[in-house]
Amino acid sequence: DSGVTQTPKHLITATGQRVTLRCSPRSGDLSVYWYQQSLDQGLQFLIQYYNGEERAKENILERFSAQQFPDLHSELNLSSLELGDSALYFCASSRGGLDIQYFGAGTRLSVL
Amino acid sequence: AQRVTQPEKLLSVFKGAPVELKCNYSYSGSPELFWYVQYSRQRLQLLLRHISRESIKGFTADLNKGETSFHLKKPFAQEEDSAMYYCALKLSGGYQKVTFGIGTKLQVIP
Repeated sequence: DSGVTQTPKHLITATGQRVTLRCSPRSGDLSVYWYQQSLDQGLQFLIQYYNGEERAKENILERFSAQQFPDLHSELNLSSLELGDSALYFCASSRGGLDIQYFGAGTRLSVL
Repeated sequence: AQRVTQPEKLLSVFKGAPVELKCNYSYSGSPELFWYVQYSRQRLQLLLRHISRESIKGFTADLNKGETSFHLKKPFAQEEDSAMYYCALKLSGGYQKVTFGIGTKLQVIP
C-alpha cells in the first residue's frame, strides 16, 4: 500500500452532473498530482499542487477544477460531465515537487 | 514540449525469453526518466529511475541520450512480469510535471 488514498473507488453518474473526487496523500507528502487515464489517451497529467498552491497544469478542461486544502488532501471537481469524461482518475503524492510520485488506486468514473 | 513514445501497445513474449520494452523521448534538456509498472488490479508503482542505475526484479534500463531512449530490459521473462509498463519523463529542476507514455502491456506466455 503506497499510502495514497482515493475515494470513491467507483463513481457512476449521468451526463451534465457534477462529481468530486478526493485524494489523501501519504503522510508528510506536500505535493499532490492528478492524472486521467483513458483507453485511447494513456495517462495524462492534469494538475499539481504543492502545499496548497497550484504548481503546474496541463490537459485540464475548464469544466474541471481542483484544490488542495490546509490538511493537504485534495479534491478534483468535474462538472457538466460528458460521456468522454469516463476514465480512471489517479492521484499521486510526493514529498516535495521533485521526488518520486506514489500513486493511489484510482477512481473509476463512468458517465452514462 | 516533452513527449514520451512507447511504440508497442502490446508485447507478448514466452517465459524465459528476453524482454525489451521500448521508450523514446523528445526533450533537448536533461530529463529524469522513470519506468512505472501497473500489475493487474493494483496501483501504478515506480519500477526504476535512471539516476538510480539499479536493477529491480531483474529489470534494467539505460538512458541513451544520443538516441533519446530509455528502453526497459530483462534477460529472462517471468509470468509475474505480465503487467502494464509506463515510461515517464520529468524535467529536472523546479516543480515539473511528469509526462507518461501511453503504456505497453507485457504479456508473458507460459
